Amino acid sequence: GENVEQHPSTLSVQEGDSAVIKCTYSDSASNYFPWYKQELGKRPQLIIDIRSNVGEKKDQRIAVTLNKTAKHFSLHITETQPEDSAVYFCAASKYKLSFGAGTTVTVRA
Amino acid sequence: DVKVTQSSRYLVKRTGEKVFLECVQDMDHENMFWYRQDPGLGLRLIYFSYDVKMKEKGDIPEGYSVSREKKERFSLILESASTNQTSMYLCASSFSTGLTDTQYFGPGTRLTVL
Repeated sequence: GENVEQHPSTLSVQEGDSAVIKCTYSDSASNYFPWYKQELGKRPQLIIDIRSNVGEKKDQRIAVTLNKTAKHFSLHITETQPEDSAVYFCAASKYKLSFGAGTTVTVRA
Repeated sequence: DVKVTQSSRYLVKRTGEKVFLECVQDMDHENMFWYRQDPGLGLRLIYFSYDVKMKEKGDIPEGYSVSREKKERFSLILESASTNQTSMYLCASSFSTGLTDTQYFGPGTRLTVL
């Protein structure tokens, strides 16, 4: 099955700086790559996704890039704010979603 | 607004007990999923269902079964609970028949097996 690896497992950034989370996947047939954000004590929620026919997608301060050849994709958060502190999960899917282990992001004020 | 609810937020059971976790969604979604979430392991798919009475195994189905008798309801059953099934259980639903669509999660059930 699909294997998704996510790095780093924890990330601490100064407010206003950028944060980057990277994921790799094993199945070249995967074609859908969502990112979920889970705030402490809350449910995961989709923040952005990308499909394999697109190389980059932006939504305000967040962006995702996909390199199909290298089988990796990344989440970029610019101008980080305290409310960006959360656990972020990447996932890859050909048929069913396989999630990475998660990255705990802490934004220091 | 999509609403996915789970029957309990916290549950404590004894080893060997039969445990039922229930999930209900109100958006007429085709697909429903059960995951377990453990620190450092992310979300792992236990079972999913793409239609009433249909089910498919996920990545870690051992020790679990599911039931989907109505479209809006998906139950996870632990036939004989064991301590290694202590975890956070998350239900999710999605609309697309292709399965590659936004999944909406429930609030989770934290199950402790003593």
